[in-house]
Amino acid sequence: AQSVTQLGSHVSVSEGALVLLRCNYSSSVPPYLFWYVQYPNQGLQLLLKYTTGATLVKGINGFEAEFKKSETSFHLTKPSAHMSDAAEYFCAVSGATGFQKLVFGTGTRLLVSP
Amino acid sequence: DAGVIQSPRHEVTEMGQEVTLRCKPISGHNSLFWYRQTMMRGLELLIYFNNNVPIDDSGMPEDRFSAKMPNASFSTLKIQPSEPRDSAVYFCASRVREGTDTQYFGPGTRLTVL
Repeated sequence: AQSVTQLGSHVSVSEGALVLLRCNYSSSVPPYLFWYVQYPNQGLQLLLKYTTGATLVKGINGFEAEFKKSETSFHLTKPSAHMSDAAEYFCAVSGATGFQKLVFGTGTRLLVSP
Repeated sequence: DAGVIQSPRHEVTEMGQEVTLRCKPISGHNSLFWYRQTMMRGLELLIYFNNNVPIDDSGMPEDRFSAKMPNASFSTLKIQPSEPRDSAVYFCASRVREGTDTQYFGPGTRLTVL
């Protein structure tokens, strides 16, 4: 079974500041890990994913995340926030084999102030 | 290439009425998912189809909910009778095939049951 914990339902940053959204996972099998972004009144869009290989993955819009197995973490970062980054971000986990059901975290709303 | 298409985008109905939500997956995708998003429960997987066959419907809340996939390009989620607690955003997502990792989400249907 898999589960995801996202620390902080809301994160506020200033434009130009570092963005750090935290995600910890639990998985009984090797995990696939994902970050999705949801803009208001829209569906979820894939930001980035980790499946195998390099543990530092780069996604769209300047975001990246690092898979740390020892810490069971997959935190999302961006060096410099932009106003357009304001959205809700979801971390998700699935097993690497079998059904591969996606289990989502509760989401973190990113607020960016001028 | 068109993404996942959902209709209607918004639905307002009265308690007791039948509601049908529709989804057209991305052409060539063989796996289809229905999710429900609420403030209280976050994103929940309702049902998953692979090659038009329901594989896991353990997330369907109760017998009032039913889902069908008569062919590879169309799926419905029906609620009969609807209740106010069914108010949520319902997302459809599709994936190329079982064993691949990325799900592509539609824009969602916002359902309000009065």
